[in-house]
Amino acid sequence: AQSVTQLDSHVSVSEGTPVLLRCNYSSSYSPSLFWYVQHPNKGLQLLLKYTSAATLVKGINGFEAEFKKSETSFHLTKPSAHMSDAAEYFCVSGGSNYKLTFGKGTLLTVNP
Amino acid sequence: DGGITQSPKYLFRKEGQNVTLSCEQNLNHDAMYWYRQDPGQGLRLIYYSQIVNDFQKGDIAEGYSVSREKKESFPLTVTSAQKNPTAFYLCASSIGEAGASTDTQYFGPGTRLTVL
Repeated sequence: AQSVTQLDSHVSVSEGTPVLLRCNYSSSYSPSLFWYVQHPNKGLQLLLKYTSAATLVKGINGFEAEFKKSETSFHLTKPSAHMSDAAEYFCVSGGSNYKLTFGKGTLLTVNP
Repeated sequence: DGGITQSPKYLFRKEGQNVTLSCEQNLNHDAMYWYRQDPGQGLRLIYYSQIVNDFQKGDIAEGYSVSREKKESFPLTVTSAQKNPTAFYLCASSIGEAGASTDTQYFGPGTRLTVL
């Protein structure tokens, strides 16, 4: 069975400093992995997607994530946080039969 | 303007009443999904449909029902049998490549249901 663990439920950064949101996955095969962002009372928006083509994946709004098979990790990073990045972020694993496995989310707070 | 719409944005229901949440997509996607979101629990799959006139139970289907009579529509009914229906409900759709783990799901804006 697949599982996704987001290692921090809450991350707080200052505007202009780097962002690191950590995600580990567990799967018996190389999964597809996604990061989604959710602003309050909104739906989920796709940030980026890994499908084995390249281990470093670039997404929207300056975010990127690196797939590390040896560490079973897919951490999300951004060099410089902006106030508009404040939201909840979900790491998600894709499986067969259309079913996704969601992490419990990391709430990112950006301080001025 | 393509996308997924959900209505209403906020919904209030009295205990014991059934209520139907609407989900429409104009992306020409074959697959559609309903999720429930509770604080600190991520998203949990209620039902999904890979094609018109077919749907399968997800992880928490009890107390819910769906229909898929048209490709673009996938309404969810929350019945009185659902013990704790207050939650944020999200609809999603995807192209529906058969068995593909890379199939990206696109989400609607959600409906917040409150049972009074």
